[in-house]
Amino acid sequence: DQQVKQNSPSLSVQEGRISILNCDYTNSMFDYFLWYKKYPAEGPTFLISISSIKDKNEDGRFTVFLNKSAKHLSLHIVPSQPGDSAVYFCAASLIYNQGGKLIFGQGTELSVKP
Amino acid sequence: DADVTQTPRNRITKTGKRIMLECSQTKGHDRMYWYRQDPGLGLQLIYYSFDVKDINKGEISDGYSVSRQAQAKFSLSLESAIPNQTALYFCATSDLWGNEQFFGPGTRLTVL
Repeated sequence: DQQVKQNSPSLSVQEGRISILNCDYTNSMFDYFLWYKKYPAEGPTFLISISSIKDKNEDGRFTVFLNKSAKHLSLHIVPSQPGDSAVYFCAASLIYNQGGKLIFGQGTELSVKP
Repeated sequence: DADVTQTPRNRITKTGKRIMLECSQTKGHDRMYWYRQDPGLGLQLIYYSFDVKDINKGEISDGYSVSRQAQAKFSLSLESAIPNQTALYFCATSDLWGNEQFFGPGTRLTVL
């Protein structure tokens, strides 16, 4: 039972354009959401997060949107750069009930073409 | 120097062998985690430890065991490796709230 789903295994975007990565979840009790970025031969690195009490969080070129009613979050990258090419994982957490255990989606491989 | 290190980085072994993967961290975090990554499945939690005396099973703990030797060290063992344990293994750490986890570079394990 996949509680966090990223239904697009891959996404290709032109440099300078917007990249939109999507993530759906099934457990309405999740209270914290994170995006991680992973380059080949490296471990995932934290990118941006959002609490369930917010619907948007922005950090430079990266913005995460949360739609609790739809159980959906998305990561927007504007403008996209070739260095953004990586696998992106969304993750969800039940902080107060399970002490921060993360449930990960399958990942979306982003390719930004020059 | 990396905050979270894993050894070995690559390992090829045979079915039935005992394998230990090691993780060390210099971040001073109490919480440590072991994940495996399979293509198309994302990262799945194997075991986690909130402090030296606390060990908990994750989603896919069967066939694995762990040891938390110190705050900074968390080892994962495969008592009798089997081919479907071929995967990328990641160690991670977090602070008390676990809002953000810091990952090691991973160990690529192949079981023949």
